[in-house]
Amino acid sequence: GAGVSQSPRYKVAKRGQDVALRCDPISGHVSLFWYQQALGQGPEFLTYFQNEAQLDKSGLPSDRFFAERPEGSVSTLKIQRTQQEDSAVYLCASSFPFDSPRDTGELFFGEGSRLTVL
Amino acid sequence: DAKTTQPPSMDCAEGRAANLPCNHSTISGNEYVYWYRQIHSQGPQYIIHGLKNNETNEMASLIITEDRKSSTLILPHATLRDTAVYYCINSQYGNKLVFGAGTILRVKS
Repeated sequence: GAGVSQSPRYKVAKRGQDVALRCDPISGHVSLFWYQQALGQGPEFLTYFQNEAQLDKSGLPSDRFFAERPEGSVSTLKIQRTQQEDSAVYLCASSFPFDSPRDTGELFFGEGSRLTVL
Repeated sequence: DAKTTQPPSMDCAEGRAANLPCNHSTISGNEYVYWYRQIHSQGPQYIIHGLKNNETNEMASLIITEDRKSSTLILPHATLRDTAVYYCINSQYGNKLVFGAGTILRVKS
């Protein structure tokens, strides 16, 4: 489809394992955001890319969390040595740059990757 | 980004208008009011946004008070599929969105 695609949709990891979550943004979208959503709470900002540049990583909770977008399209969120508190839904969102004539002010979200750490 | 305050939950009868309030008394002059909703097990979905004028689209209407300290999202004819968590967010255009707890809207038949 033409929406933001995330994979895997569900991931179960044992505590201490490394995981990688993938986001395919909508074609042409320059801006890409990652959010973490714990059960029963609103999404919390993790990090922001404009093209391949990571402009804001203030929301990453620890140095175990790492995100990259090497070619300015697909992005990967990596969590090293997972802990139980990392269990959450990880949401990716993308948009046109705000000064683009195609921008409508809308941020398009994927359906998320649900991570469960045992 | 300014913090918003929303009621934790609301009920609405199917077919009636749903009016969801949001207080944002500390909103800055260059911050927009955005509304998103999140249906169970899905990612958030954009509804509408505005700066100071009232806005309407195919999904909803947004009424912003003249002093911009509060706003109301109106779903004119709520259906069961509108049951979701509704988030009111203040943010500068193009900036990251800071979500609060939102309002759980339950549409009942």
